[in-house]
This record gives sequence, structure tokens and C-alpha cells, in this order.
Amino acid sequence: RKEVEQDPGPFNVPEGATVAFNCTYSNSASQSFFWYRQDCRKEPKLLMSVYSSGNEDGRFTAQLNRASQYISLLIRDSKLSDSATYLCVVPSGGSYIPTFGRGTSLIVHP
Amino acid sequence: DVKVTQSSRYLVKRTGEKVFLECVQDMDHENMFWYRQDPGLGLRLIYFSYDVKMKEKGDIPEGYSVSREKKERFSLILESASTNQTSMYLCASSRPLGGFGQPQHFGDGTRLSIL
Repeated sequence: RKEVEQDPGPFNVPEGATVAFNCTYSNSASQSFFWYRQDCRKEPKLLMSVYSSGNEDGRFTAQLNRASQYISLLIRDSKLSDSATYLCVVPSGGSYIPTFGRGTSLIVHP
Repeated sequence: DVKVTQSSRYLVKRTGEKVFLECVQDMDHENMFWYRQDPGLGLRLIYFSYDVKMKEKGDIPEGYSVSREKKERFSLILESASTNQTSMYLCASSRPLGGFGQPQHFGDGTRLSIL
């Protein structure tokens, strides 16, 4: 099993829709999780950190399910500008080296 | 805001050349990382460093080496560039790992082409 798995998508949704992505991880000892956003040909940028059960920031909500070992990212009222690839990151191993998922592509259309 | 600066946005080199990619961060972060990113493969860790003169291999260190002589600077070296090293290279820094892990801050990336 890969350490961090994401559905590559693309998720193709209309403006205003609510969309959710999941990210599963294998290291049950992980304590913190991150979602990054990466635009085409740009660097990843931190979107949200998740240190407990979840986190909310405006239209974005991240939730953690430790029992099933996945985190989710919910985007409400999608905007055209939300179109990007969303990367899940889980610190893994004894030294908590960040392990990246391969990303989920989101396309928001008019 | 954390600033991570990579020396070049685009670079073209020839097979067999020794290539240096430089990265500088201004937030006194202990940890620095080098990744490469290829379509369909995501970000893959090449090397990381948790202190000056300290380095650890990542998932794909073959063909690469690194240098960290000063805390703010982390260099990636392609000893003898090959065409399969054509890629986007991303540098990142973070506060110390351990405990809960820390988010990383990335540079703009270097698009390296080896001809």
C-alpha cells in the first residue's frame, strides 16, 4: 500500500458546487497533515494544516478520520479560481519526513 | 512571509555537465529539502538536510548530491547530467520536524532541461 494515496481526478464541477477529496495514509502514527494547492507550472502553496480532528478556513474544511486513516478536503461554493491540483501531505516515519500524495486535479467551469 | 529563492527559473544544460541548483531561505529554518516533480509521479524527495553539513537521502538520491555549508543555503548537484534528469526541481524549507511535523515553504521551482 502506498503511504499516501489520492484520487488523481480530474474532478470537473460547475461554479458554486461543493466538492470533496479524500486522501488515505498508511502511517497510523502520523499526527499532522497538510493540504497544499498547486497551480499549473507553479510551486505548491500551503492551503491548510490539520493537527486534530479538523480545520475550517472560509469555504475550505479539512477533516481527519484517524480510525479509517484518511483526511478530506471540502470546498464549498466553488470558484473558477479554485481550479488547481490539491496535494495531501502526511509526515511519515520516525523522522516525520513529509510524504506527498500525487494530487487531485480540480477543474471548476462556468 | 517565508521566502525561498531558487537561483534559476529555467535552465538548459548538456549531457555530462555538472549542474548546480541553488536554494536560499530567509527564515532561519533548520530543514531544507530538494524534490523533483514529473507528470504522473508527483513530488519525489531527492535529499533533505536538518542542519548545516547534515544531509539525508530521500527516495531518489541516485545521480545527485547536495551541499549545506550555511544554514540558509542548500545546493543540489547533478554530478554528470543525463536526459532523464530533465524535470522541475523544487526546493523547500521548514522548521524542525519531529513531534507533529511542520509545513514546508517552497521556492518557485527550476525547470531543468538536459539536452
